[in-house]
Amino acid sequence: QVQLVQSGAEVKRPGASVKVSCKASGYTFTRYAIHWVRQAPGQRLEWMGYINPDNGDTKYSQKFQDRVTFTRDTSASTAYMELSSVTSEDTAVFYCARRDKATRSAPFDYWGQGTLLTVSS
Amino acid sequence: QSALIQPRSVSGSPGQSVTISCTGTSSDVGGSNPVSWYQQHPGSVPKILIYDVNKRPSGVPDRFSGSKSGNTASLTISGLQAEDEADYYCCSFVDDYSWVFGGGTKLTVL
Repeated sequence: QVQLVQSGAEVKRPGASVKVSCKASGYTFTRYAIHWVRQAPGQRLEWMGYINPDNGDTKYSQKFQDRVTFTRDTSASTAYMELSSVTSEDTAVFYCARRDKATRSAPFDYWGQGTLLTVSS
Repeated sequence: QSALIQPRSVSGSPGQSVTISCTGTSSDVGGSNPVSWYQQHPGSVPKILIYDVNKRPSGVPDRFSGSKSGNTASLTISGLQAEDEADYYCCSFVDDYSWVFGGGTKLTVL
């Protein structure tokens, strides 16, 4: 069965960087883009961007493009999201979600369990 | 990219129908761009309900339906049930090959 399993909760100081992993299983990793979504406590879902695991191409939301980097390790079927210069506003749950990149209308059909980042001095 | 506009909250009694709107622009919802809807219970992961405006993934009850007119997409839930109480988010593809979510709507089943 399809699964996206994310790394565990993180606590960071303001100004630090954090790297979250998303390990895929149950499907061909390179056929689906991995998107990243941020959700602050009690707030809405925010799309951060995506990576195409096949060729490493990325697309970042304008809001995050100066601070976020998506990478992948196809041999491990794992995608990574690194966020730098974190502030208290980045205290949130970060989700990875897959999307069929061959179908324009495809939704985010499977989601990781979420990774809680707490930014505190 | 600004969030799509959704009502903060809606409510209905069991058995009734409710509709949640999602308003964007001609660059996202209003274009020939796919719109999807997600349900999120407190403390849980979002779940896909509707994609490509009005298609339901297998397993989603037909009580959930979607539509679009101009710059506004809508999610209708008929025959409300207690377990439908959750947050609902619309999401649209955008012309610049990005995606945007709505502000979210809290559904209360009275």
